[in-house]
Amino acid sequence: AQKVTQAQTEISVVEKEDVTLDCVYETRDTTYYLFWYKQPPSGELVFLIRRNSFDEQNEISGRYSWNFQKSTSSFNFTITASQVVDSAVYFCALSDMYSSASKIIFGSGTRLSIRP
Amino acid sequence: GAVVSQHPSRVICKSGTSVKIECRSLDFQATTMFWYRQFPKQSLMLMATSNEGSKATYEQGVEKDKFLINHASLTLSTLTVTSAHPEDSSFYICSAPLAGGDPLEQFFGPGTRLTVL
Repeated sequence: AQKVTQAQTEISVVEKEDVTLDCVYETRDTTYYLFWYKQPPSGELVFLIRRNSFDEQNEISGRYSWNFQKSTSSFNFTITASQVVDSAVYFCALSDMYSSASKIIFGSGTRLSIRP
Repeated sequence: GAVVSQHPSRVICKSGTSVKIECRSLDFQATTMFWYRQFPKQSLMLMATSNEGSKATYEQGVEKDKFLINHASLTLSTLTVTSAHPEDSSFYICSAPLAGGDPLEQFFGPGTRLTVL
């Protein structure tokens, strides 16, 4: 069974602080994909990253970085030097089917508030 | 880039009425579309997979007779909430991958907020 756990329901930090959002996943498959999405107050989902299970390299994109560790089934997301515009709900997600009807299973989300 | 639209963006209806929500892929074709429901401060829950030209596949616990899905063309899927009740009030989001493209590269619509009085 697939499952994504985001234990942090809400996080609030002061602007310019670094913040890490945790994500732990469960799957029986050896081939799977992990995602992070951002949902600002407007509601529209913004895709941030996708990672496949065979690529454990960490990734950095500007102030964003991701740490994928298969040994702990975690795919954590770090925002460096946070900004008020980073305030949103962030979802970690998992898909372990690669077909014409792939399903993406979302975690419960972490609401991030950046205070000025 | 690929754009998915939803109409309406917001709808308020009386209990017992039916509401239709449209999901359109504006600049690409989609043989598959996904419908999600998101209750306030909760996650997106997959409701069903809409398949062009065939029946939708519903997730466990989702009433197919209450949430009617029609995928009549390669650019349009509709979700009809029949006999809506206040507990159906939610944010409904659709997504779609490009037909023949990467099925995991899904483009999400902006969502439709349904309020049932």
